[in-house]
Amino acid sequence: DTGVSQNPRHKITKRGQNVTFRCDPISEHNRLYWYRQTLGQGPEFLTYFQNEAQLEKSRLLSDRFSAERPKGSFSTLEIQRTEQGDSAMYLCASSLGTQPQHFGDGTRLSIL
Amino acid sequence: QKEVEQNSGPLSVPEGAIASLNCTYSDRGSQSFFWYRQYSGKSPELIMFIYSNGDKEDGRFTAQLNKASQYVSLLIRDSQPSDSATYLCAVAATSGTYKYIFGTGTRLKVLA
Repeated sequence: DTGVSQNPRHKITKRGQNVTFRCDPISEHNRLYWYRQTLGQGPEFLTYFQNEAQLEKSRLLSDRFSAERPKGSFSTLEIQRTEQGDSAMYLCASSLGTQPQHFGDGTRLSIL
Repeated sequence: QKEVEQNSGPLSVPEGAIASLNCTYSDRGSQSFFWYRQYSGKSPELIMFIYSNGDKEDGRFTAQLNKASQYVSLLIRDSQPSDSATYLCAVAATSGTYKYIFGTGTRLKVLA
């Protein structure tokens, strides 16, 4: 049983560029969550999918952010026109129903 | 008032001692509580979850929940240097998304 997989592990980009992250949840987990974590803080919720439906987006998720989960399997998180404040660890978690969430290793984004 | 509060620490304990980590939450309707361990630069790892008032033990870890006082704690017995990490308390939202609301984490240092 493989865990939650996230790619890439690290992304360094220039301000203004677009970036896309991928998350492969634990197989058969129907719920998928994206969180963002900055230094010294706990993870903050960004968005939630149940199967392929995106059911909630945080106010933190500006218009520059978009997430998809086609066919209810893997998910992508895209950030357009990146800004310095987007630098963070982006974490994906999955769960089967309301069972505890398991996190991937995260994608660390650095904006130059 | 933050929704989930933890003392940021660091909490320093000698090797072999009991480490006690505390967390309070504001939503009286909360039902599900989780403790994650996070090593520096790594993603959160689930170590305990508790849903009912009282104690829940798993190896060297004991989670304690008091819903009347809106308080959840984690005890680590026989602390080891490898337990040195940040411990994140998470509370599941009472809305249908079941997203987690995290505290800022408590940094634990176990001194050899």
